[in-house]
Amino acid sequence: NAGVTQTPKFRILKIGQSMTLQCTQDMNHNYMYWYRQDPGMGLKLIYYSVGAGITDKGEVPNGYNVSRSTTEDFPLRLELAAPSQTSVYFCASSYRGGSSYEQYFGPGTRLTVT
Amino acid sequence: QQQVKQSPQSLIVQKGGISIINCAYENTAFDYFPWYQQFPGKGPALLIAIRPDVSEKKEGRFTISFNKSAKQFSLHIMDSQPGDSATYFCAAAQGGSEKLVFGKGTKLTVNP
Repeated sequence: NAGVTQTPKFRILKIGQSMTLQCTQDMNHNYMYWYRQDPGMGLKLIYYSVGAGITDKGEVPNGYNVSRSTTEDFPLRLELAAPSQTSVYFCASSYRGGSSYEQYFGPGTRLTVT
Repeated sequence: QQQVKQSPQSLIVQKGGISIINCAYENTAFDYFPWYQQFPGKGPALLIAIRPDVSEKKEGRFTISFNKSAKQFSLHIMDSQPGDSATYFCAAAQGGSEKLVFGKGTKLTVNP
């Protein structure tokens, strides 16, 4: 299993541009998440999904959109990129069931908006 | 409002020493407390986790101590090794929710 994969690894955007961060998992997990990580600030939840067709906002959703058309894919859309969106973005997935809440993280996408 | 407070922000330990990272939480509905380990350029990975029905959980050199009355939990790394150098995040989740609330992280450096 590849686990959670993210593309691209790095990206530089100009202010006002848009882009989609891709996330795919092959573990048949029903829950998926997007986080952003800023230096010294930990991980902040942007959006999450409990299954195909169902998404909900996390702590910092403004400026982002998501969709979940399949179990495997959970893309994150940035519209009108702003410098405040410069960050490292992590996608994660987990299986709802049993006693484990373990989340499996992808390798991250480092985004710079200038 | 920060729901999980983590300290220290950075920690330097000599090889063979004990590393201790502390976290405090406010929400008494939290019932799952994991620690994640992150190496540079990688995503976080689950290291060890505890539920409030036990006061301690040990896995190899890693131990979580949990104090429900004080609303605190800590990670102890015994016999710290240079390979343990990483950033460690504590987190908490509320029963029935998959959403984790993370602390701000502790950068651990173990000198050889």
